[in-house]
Amino acid sequence: AQTVTQSQPEMSVQEAETVTLSCTYDTSESDYYLFWYKQPPSRQMILVIRQEAYKQQNATENRFSVNFQKAAKSFSLKISDSQLGDAAMYFCACDPNSGYALNFGKGTSLLVTP
Amino acid sequence: DGGITQSPKYLFRKEGQNVTLSCEQNLNHDAMYWYRQDPGQGLRLIYYSQIVNDFQKGDIAEGYSVSREKKESFPLTVTSAQKNPTAFYLCASSSLTGARSNTGELFFGEGSRLTVL
Repeated sequence: AQTVTQSQPEMSVQEAETVTLSCTYDTSESDYYLFWYKQPPSRQMILVIRQEAYKQQNATENRFSVNFQKAAKSFSLKISDSQLGDAAMYFCACDPNSGYALNFGKGTSLLVTP
Repeated sequence: DGGITQSPKYLFRKEGQNVTLSCEQNLNHDAMYWYRQDPGQGLRLIYYSQIVNDFQKGDIAEGYSVSREKKESFPLTVTSAQKNPTAFYLCASSSLTGARSNTGELFFGEGSRLTVL
């Protein structure tokens, strides 16, 4: 079984500043995918960024980047130059690539203040 | 446009009634999923299906049932056996897991909010 832990129920950041959301996971698989999803007030789940475990290079998508530490099973999300539209619930998820479904953390609510 | 359609968006149920939530996708995805979302609980897997006429229980399948008669459709029935059905339900789909070409990404519908009166 896989577990995903997000230890920060809520985070706050000022506009234009940088914030890091934490995620740790537990899996016995050697090959897997990791994801960060965003859920704004509309509740539509949106993929933010994806990391393949066999790639050592950290994924980057514009203002979003990850710090992937495979040995520590850590997968944090960094949001640079935060914008008001970044305010949302953020979920970390792991896909063990073993035929099962994504396993999600409990989420971190991000507040962005002007 | 390709995507996932869930209906209805809002549903009210009296205690003791079964209700069915619809989920249709036109992405030609093999796998489909149902998740339940409660405040502070994240997304919890109810059922998933990787192929037509086959499905597997997730972590919280008790009180729910599904069918997969067509590749495009994966309806979820919330039965009267589900003791606390008030929640937000999300349907998702993906390319078949296990294939190296598959990125594992889930595509989500807009969700259905079920309230028991």
